[in-house]
Amino acid sequence: DAGVIQSPRHEVTEMGQEVTLRCKPISGHDYLFWYRQTMMRGLELLIYFNNNVPIDDSGMPEDRFSAKMPNASFSTLKIQPSEPRDSAVYFCASSRPSGRTSGNTIYFGEGSWLTVV
Amino acid sequence: AQRVTQPEKLLSVFKGAPVELKCNYSYSGSPELFWYVQYSRQRLQLLLRHISRESIKGFTADLNKGETSFHLKKPFAQEEDSAMYYCALRGGAQKLVFGQGTRLTINP
Repeated sequence: DAGVIQSPRHEVTEMGQEVTLRCKPISGHDYLFWYRQTMMRGLELLIYFNNNVPIDDSGMPEDRFSAKMPNASFSTLKIQPSEPRDSAVYFCASSRPSGRTSGNTIYFGEGSWLTVV
Repeated sequence: AQRVTQPEKLLSVFKGAPVELKCNYSYSGSPELFWYVQYSRQRLQLLLRHISRESIKGFTADLNKGETSFHLKKPFAQEEDSAMYYCALRGGAQKLVFGQGTRLTINP
């Protein structure tokens, strides 16, 4: 398996523009997570899905952020409008099927490095 | 509430010296604890988890429920161990809560 695949790897955009980050989880995984990594705050969970349904979006910073999972193999994280403080690395991750919550490993993608100028 | 604390943002040791990265957690139930490693500009990778009681790349970590700690240890550091290390906790839900991370630098 190619692992969790994210795109784009790097994005530089101007303040006010819309940004869309994409993620393909590992096939067969039914949990998908979006994390944000910054120097100041470390790794923060933004939102996670189970079977394409959002379970916990309490980490989504504000209404400018939205996430969708239209099917089991694709998710997007959208920022509209973007601001310089959104500059961070955004990681997507996925984990194994339900029924084995104990000991499940969460696998991470390589991240999308976002810079908003 | 679930919380993970890594008190050291930076840790620097010499090659061959012992290493200990500290991790303390707060959780009222029985947690699962993990250590993830992130090498320069790469993805996070699972290093080890407490339920496996394994040693990976010479690292070990023991869950101490009395002290609510899960410190990562290695007796002899190697240069290739330089990386960012994150301690993480999973409570009743599937999600992981991470500490702030410790950047480990091994000096030659």
